Amino acid sequence: DSGVTQTPKHLITATGQRVTLRCSPRSGDLSVYWYQQSLDQGLQFLIQYYNGEERAKGNILERFSAQQFPDLHSELNLSSLELGDSALYFCASSVTDRADYGYTFGSGTRLTVV
Amino acid sequence: DQQVKQNSPSLSVQEGRISILNCDYTNSMFDYFLWYKKYPAEGPTFLISISSIKDKNEDGRFTVFLNKSAKHLSLHIVPSQPGDSAVYFCAASEGADMRFGAGTRLTVKP
Repeated sequence: DSGVTQTPKHLITATGQRVTLRCSPRSGDLSVYWYQQSLDQGLQFLIQYYNGEERAKGNILERFSAQQFPDLHSELNLSSLELGDSALYFCASSVTDRADYGYTFGSGTRLTVV
Repeated sequence: DQQVKQNSPSLSVQEGRISILNCDYTNSMFDYFLWYKKYPAEGPTFLISISSIKDKNEDGRFTVFLNKSAKHLSLHIVPSQPGDSAVYFCAASEGADMRFGAGTRLTVKP
């Protein structure tokens, strides 16, 4: 157990639907990062929050949004889902807002859009 | 825009031998480089890192080498063990922005 909790572990939904992925960071970590891993692809950075504020944005689609709540948990909202959104979505956390010391990753949410 | 590239999708080595995983990057502003290891059904776990001001960092059986002029880094595992079989991701960061390669699947044969 890495200390980063992601729910649900698996999600199957239909095209056009909306889903919410949840992440609880490791205790004491202020930063939360979201990554997408499609089949045979590397981890694509989506977005980062630090202590409730958006800090960095990667290749996140406009159909996707995220937020970090006062208790530091984060949610990634995916809407108007398409088949190509099927992927593993990882959340990671770190103490600072820098990547120098590595992140702690959760075990991911596997999203399947049918 | 692939700023971090791992050109070998897979690598197979014999137990006890050296495993060398390679990674290239294009952004000269990256100031920290990391390797992560991923087992099936788990998230990546941090393995080892190196600052851009160094050219080598060692931690037990794992050594990372950085060649800034060539924008290349490598991970050496000596000796390789069957439990090292996993997917290895190279990552490079500039501040909060961390970019990952596509990964190399290492198989260590007994």
